[in-house]
Amino acid sequence: GDQVEQSPSALSLHEGTGSALRCNFTTTMRAVQWFRKNSRGSLINLFYLASGTKENGRLKSAFDSKERYSTLHIRDAQLEDSGTYFCAGNNNNAPRFGAGTKLSVKP
Amino acid sequence: DMKVTQMPRYLIKRMGENVLLECGQDMSHETMYWYRQDPGLGLQLIYISYDVDSNSEGDIPKGYRVSRKKREHFSLILDSAKTNQTSVYFCASSLSTSNSDYTFGSGTRLLVI
Repeated sequence: GDQVEQSPSALSLHEGTGSALRCNFTTTMRAVQWFRKNSRGSLINLFYLASGTKENGRLKSAFDSKERYSTLHIRDAQLEDSGTYFCAGNNNNAPRFGAGTKLSVKP
Repeated sequence: DMKVTQMPRYLIKRMGENVLLECGQDMSHETMYWYRQDPGLGLQLIYISYDVDSNSEGDIPKGYRVSRKKREHFSLILDSAKTNQTSVYFCASSLSTSNSDYTFGSGTRLLVI
């Protein structure tokens, strides 16, 4: 069954603003990974977390295994942040992906 | 530069033809995966390989088979392609299933007509 629920499915931001993406897991995940699909279609690894939070530039991710969710915060969004973001939860077998969030950043 | 390489990047096949998608990695990773990505569905796991000749079905294996004769290569085979197998296929690898840091290939865009 579906194990990863990602929201929202689409998000539009103006440059300089921010928002959060969320993934809820229906089972306990040992770790989470966030990816961005770039303009060439490749999956770029943003974060890998087994717990807690990580920050990289304007991106920050958090993972709570017990509460079964992860978030990806984007602040001061730029045009080049546009793309589709995926979370993947791992439960010791293979990562299961959310359906993705299509982010559009507008001037 | 450690990476996962997929070939070809783009492929057009007629219904009923055989399709071979190749994936290679240069990191000596034990575990490799094949996913397909369709709009609104995210990435769905087709097959997982734990090592040479140690493969396991994923969530949507029907219509696919795989081959892993060398640790660095993992092939996805479609015997008699169907139009509903038009998709973008991603290969990934990880050191092991207990190590969750995955590396993805750039994807193969397959069109079955």
